[in-house]
Amino acid sequence: DIQLTQSPSFLSASVGDRVTITCRASQGISSYLAWYQQKPGKAPKLLIYAASTLQSGVPSRFSGSGSGTEFTLTISSLQPEDFATYYCQQLNSYPQTFGQGTKLEIK
Amino acid sequence: QVQLVQSGAEVKKPGASVKVSCKASGYTFTGYYMHWVRQAPGQGLEWMGWINPNSGGTNYAQKFQGRVTMTRDTSISTAYMELSRLRSDDTAVYYCAREGVSNSGYDFLLDWGQGTLVTVSS
Repeated sequence: DIQLTQSPSFLSASVGDRVTITCRASQGISSYLAWYQQKPGKAPKLLIYAASTLQSGVPSRFSGSGSGTEFTLTISSLQPEDFATYYCQQLNSYPQTFGQGTKLEIK
Repeated sequence: QVQLVQSGAEVKKPGASVKVSCKASGYTFTGYYMHWVRQAPGQGLEWMGWINPNSGGTNYAQKFQGRVTMTRDTSISTAYMELSRLRSDDTAVYYCAREGVSNSGYDFLLDWGQGTLVTVSS
């Protein structure tokens, strides 16, 4: 199985900050990577697919990059509604797997 | 708009089975694979498998092979996930999620149900 390791697992930041979350795959997955945002008690929400394509309706302050084994999710200027947990997911091979999550908290 | 509405919370004893439903609306049910993902309390997301609502074909994660069965009823646009021989560590929120595919062939989980809490306890 392909393992995805996110870093950091916890991130404390302030409104207006630029933050970056990294997702590393245990083997190459081309660009078959998606990012999701999850708020407490809610289902995950798709932010980015194909490593860097912004899902329709997602604010442009979110961006993704990378290919192969290293990927990043960047939020250019944190807004209050962005404090949540973020997951990466690889869809290159079965079983599909998720990173362990990055919890973004208000400083 | 697309909606995936799941059945309500369940409490089951160890060794029992649970069947969770996911009713789809707002799109052509048979046109998109349906995935199931679970999340144990305070933990991350775990992919369980998918069903092709058109053909009924399935693909299960090895971890769940022999215990999970995904089915569908196209007449009512509903997908089902049944998990048998339940254990306490199967306690989790179970989500259905509709797959999307980009023009360039990249897939992703586009729409999600609200989740169904399954509690396994004696």
